[in-house]
Amino acid sequence: GAGVSQSPRYKVTKRGQDVALRCDPISGHVSLYWYRQALGQGPEFLTYFNYEAQQDKSGLPNDRFSAERPEGSISTLTIQRTEQRDSAMYRCASSLEVSTGNYGYTFGSGTRLTVV
Amino acid sequence: DAKTTQPNSMESNEEEPVHLPCNHSTISGTDYIHWYRQLPSQGPEYVIHGLTSNVNNRMASLAIAEDRKSSTLILHRATLRDAAVYYCILSGHYGGSQGNLIFGKGTKLSVKP
Repeated sequence: GAGVSQSPRYKVTKRGQDVALRCDPISGHVSLYWYRQALGQGPEFLTYFNYEAQQDKSGLPNDRFSAERPEGSISTLTIQRTEQRDSAMYRCASSLEVSTGNYGYTFGSGTRLTVV
Repeated sequence: DAKTTQPNSMESNEEEPVHLPCNHSTISGTDYIHWYRQLPSQGPEYVIHGLTSNVNNRMASLAIAEDRKSSTLILHRATLRDAAVYYCILSGHYGGSQGNLIFGKGTKLSVKP
């Protein structure tokens, strides 16, 4: 696609429910990244993939958070048993090349998650 | 993680050049210097990146110090649409997080008409 697409744009869920956030990267982009952004703060790294392999999940806050990218394209970030502190903007980014630092990332518009 | 230091905020007048500084004294030889910006209510947007030499693109210029411990993002003629938070980030090989971008607080640029 022309850009990184995230869905849904907005998600309101009740505390304790599971949510799945979807990211569709730019076609052909090898690397995919998930970030979380609280209001007034910079994006916080969660996890990233090269192709279908999860390379680093050190930023996932706890074991309620998981991510997958089974076919090396679309990725899903799942939050189980949501809590109010999970409320934030969740952003996905993709890049063309396997990480060396010599590339730019393209970010999606994000999913605004609100846990009530 | 290699860290960067930026001023919290800067002001500029419209149609004047803006020089946004960034210090990265612990940069390693394989770290690229990246700049992203985030306009209000939008996702981060790639601006420019470089390794050792100065870089120019349609959005901005990146001036990198000879010792690579600092860099400056240059907007040649600021417009009101350039008002954003600008992030200076190092990205490269380190541990298992190759190429990951770690965002700091950035510099909030205000542009006055």
